[in-house]
Amino acid sequence: DVKVTQSSRYLVKRTGEKVFLECVQDMDHENMFWYRQDPGLGLRLIYFSYDVKMKEKGDIPEGYSVSREKKERFSLILESASTNQTSMYLCASRSGGVGYEQYFGPGTRLTVT
Amino acid sequence: AQTVTQSQPEMSVQEAETVTLSCTYDTSESDYYLFWYKQPPSRQMILVIRQEAYKQQNATENRFSVNFQKAAKSFSLKISDSQLGDAAMYFCAYRSGGETSGSRLTFGEGTQLTVNP
Repeated sequence: DVKVTQSSRYLVKRTGEKVFLECVQDMDHENMFWYRQDPGLGLRLIYFSYDVKMKEKGDIPEGYSVSREKKERFSLILESASTNQTSMYLCASRSGGVGYEQYFGPGTRLTVT
Repeated sequence: AQTVTQSQPEMSVQEAETVTLSCTYDTSESDYYLFWYKQPPSRQMILVIRQEAYKQQNATENRFSVNFQKAAKSFSLKISDSQLGDAAMYFCAYRSGGETSGSRLTFGEGTQLTVNP
């Protein structure tokens, strides 16, 4: 079974703090993704990575950065958290090649106060 | 850019009955995939069903089936014999057919399905 894990299910941070969200997958997948989920907006892609140290911006990268130093780990960084970044964050991974599906982690519900 | 629209924020169904969730999409591509994902309360998102655009036959997975209308750019999900465990948020998603941009998914807004006993 593919397993995608995220470091925290719930997280509360203060405005201005630097926040790290960690995602680990155990299936040697090339592609990893960070999404943000908000009511009425569905999932929106923040960043994705198709290889170690490689990254591409998604639809809403502003205020976020990412790091992928090892193939199994993909980190989302909020440089200076703001209240409008309060959301559910979902990580996903996928093997390369046409036809493979994305597997999702359980999500991190982040509250910025 | 591709867009995916789910026009039903909430739906409800009686246990054992059938419900259809709607999804429309917009694309200029001819090669793509469409998906329905299920997100149960406080649980991980899982894939329900997948449809390749080049296939004319509608995909089916047990009680779940799709009605894929390529010309109309419509992709609805039918759940037959609804069960309490089907209660979840359902997302429709689109992916380009080629291995580009990591094959990112574009999601709709989601439909919250309630199953009444």
